[in-house]
Amino acid sequence: GQQLNQSPQSMFIQEGEDVSMNCTSSSIFNTWLWYKQEPGEGPVLLIALYKAGELTSNGRLTAQFGITRKDSFLNISASIPSDVGIYFCAGPFNQAGTALIFGKGTTLSVSS
Amino acid sequence: DTGVSQDPRHKITKRGQNVTFRCDPISEHNRLYWYRQTLGQGPEFLTYFQNEAQLEKSRLLSDRFSAERPKGSFSTLEIQRTEQGDSAMYLCASSPFGTSGGANTGELFFGEGSRLTVL
Repeated sequence: GQQLNQSPQSMFIQEGEDVSMNCTSSSIFNTWLWYKQEPGEGPVLLIALYKAGELTSNGRLTAQFGITRKDSFLNISASIPSDVGIYFCAGPFNQAGTALIFGKGTTLSVSS
Repeated sequence: DTGVSQDPRHKITKRGQNVTFRCDPISEHNRLYWYRQTLGQGPEFLTYFQNEAQLEKSRLLSDRFSAERPKGSFSTLEIQRTEQGDSAMYLCASSPFGTSGGANTGELFFGEGSRLTVL
């Protein structure tokens, strides 16, 4: 079945550093989504990408839809302590696009 | 608060008991989803409703699981004869039909989840 592989699994960084993480798929996606989950909460949508090559920003976050449509990247610039959490990539796995498959997440820790 | 609401937030039960979770979606959202999340994993799709119609079910949804959305508003997820492997966070999400980018964009609004522990 389809799988989403996220890398790295975890990151430990200093406040102010930039962060890069990526997600690869075994098949082509028409939509890529990035969610963040904090402890005890549900995931929250950060960025949605709909077109190959698309680059979209949300504040200090920038995400790209890979040209091959099998990968996506998320960058966080000038990290702050509240960036701590688990970042998930996701994409629709059924033809109707109504069901998402999620990666296993990248856990980000930020020390001040 | 106008977000997705789930109840209860935590449930501890003994193996073999039945449990029911409730989800109240964002009021104008006609799509409602159930996902399951275990430790160290991303959410896994279980099922989704458009209004009151259950349109898709995952193979993860064994016959011990049943979900309903009788009036197209709130939904319930029942697990019968719980097993220890059912221990997980059960997440509900909702979305409006026809958001930007097309009708099926995956832009889901999740609740805080209902954590189930089966002893």
